[in-house]
Amino acid sequence: DTEVTQTPKHLVMGMTNKKSLKCEQHMGHRAMYWYKQKAKKPPELMFVYSYEKLSINESVPSRFSPECPNSSLLNLHLHALQPEDSALYLCASSQWEGGYNEQFFGPGTRLTVL
Amino acid sequence: LAKTTQPISMDSYEGQEVNITCSHNNIATNDYITWYQQFPSQGPRFIIQGYKTKVTNEVASLFIPADRKSSTLSLPRVSLSDTAVYYCLVGPSDSNYQLIWGAGTKLIIKP
Repeated sequence: DTEVTQTPKHLVMGMTNKKSLKCEQHMGHRAMYWYKQKAKKPPELMFVYSYEKLSINESVPSRFSPECPNSSLLNLHLHALQPEDSALYLCASSQWEGGYNEQFFGPGTRLTVL
Repeated sequence: LAKTTQPISMDSYEGQEVNITCSHNNIATNDYITWYQQFPSQGPRFIIQGYKTKVTNEVASLFIPADRKSSTLSLPRVSLSDTAVYYCLVGPSDSNYQLIWGAGTKLIIKP
């Protein structure tokens, strides 16, 4: 199984809502990532978890809160988002952290903030 | 950090070989070069990775000159399904903190 799954596929939320994005992989990978991608732009790294511990936080606003409950799951909790946070949110995993390791991406969650 | 520069877009025709070049003038000694492909509304997919000289797999080749200041992704005999955005990435082997994604090249294949 070389698949990274993400739910939901689409999400529309108001600025006062609280929602969560979920990501799952069963490849035994020890690094998992959240990216944000705006239209016609490359993915921007948000968070990296390595061995279930937060390794990198790329100065992401606190309205985005990541969580890694176990080695297969990664969540992104959303609260009080702004319309400019509307984007495609991608989850990825790799064997270990580092640019040498191939990242496997999920299909993404298309988020719209009203 | 090694910044990358790649063409914004390219056109080609089915059956042709396509070469996409990425410039990374200040690449570091421990940086690897990686290429990903992305279709609309999908996550990127790994194509190929290299450190120096030439790497080939079942879908592409990657050419890296001795000075490593650029790299060229070569797609042999493209088809319509190769229409996608191609990203060049440069970064160290041991951390994603300095992994830099290029702006991407939109490749359009025509019949």
